[in-house]
Amino acid sequence: DAAVTQKPRYLIKMKGQEAEMKCIPEKGHTAVFWYQQKQSKELKFLIYFQNQQPLDQIDMVKERFSAVCPSSSLCSLGIRTCEAEDSALYLCSSSQRKYEQYFGPGTRLTVL
Amino acid sequence: AQSVTQPDARVTVSEGASLQLRCKYSSSVTPYLFWYVQYPRQGLQLLLKYYSGDPVVQGVNGFEAEFSKSNSSFHLRKASVHWSDSAVYFCAAWGAKLTFGGGTRLTVRP
Repeated sequence: DAAVTQKPRYLIKMKGQEAEMKCIPEKGHTAVFWYQQKQSKELKFLIYFQNQQPLDQIDMVKERFSAVCPSSSLCSLGIRTCEAEDSALYLCSSSQRKYEQYFGPGTRLTVL
Repeated sequence: AQSVTQPDARVTVSEGASLQLRCKYSSSVTPYLFWYVQYPRQGLQLLLKYYSGDPVVQGVNGFEAEFSKSNSSFHLRKASVHWSDSAVYFCAAWGAKLTFGGGTRLTVRP
């Protein structure tokens, strides 16, 4: 089965360090989304790429995160300076049609 | 603004019992509607989706959901749950973006 891949699955950083996580979207999908989830609660939208171009993002991402899709088969989400509040599960999804999204297993970030 | 509400944060049922998980949406137009399931330490898996037409849609593993425009609802149902259905279930609606409810944690007692 085709699937969205995320690496690493677990990431531990000290406060102030940089973090980076990667997403390999499902083949043929042109839309990629990143979400933040804390404690199995609702997903918080972070950023949306269409054909590798960022089309929508929240202010927090503009201010503290870096996100790129250098190719159709790879996207990355980075945090420039980790803070304790960034501890969360980061989920990547991809889609051929924006509304029907398929999710990866997530990267669980712990900031100490 | 669009919103999705799952009024039950936790639901516990016995194995073999029937199940309904509630979902209400708020939108000026009927959105596309989805149910996702999240098993421990995993991402979200799409259970089923509603775009238009028959208000009852079938999903994987015996799940179905019924759309009601008059009630602005999209409740998830299963006739007989199994212990392996224990997970967190999310309802989501697409307007300009995918909006998620807060999730319902389902525990199935063996």
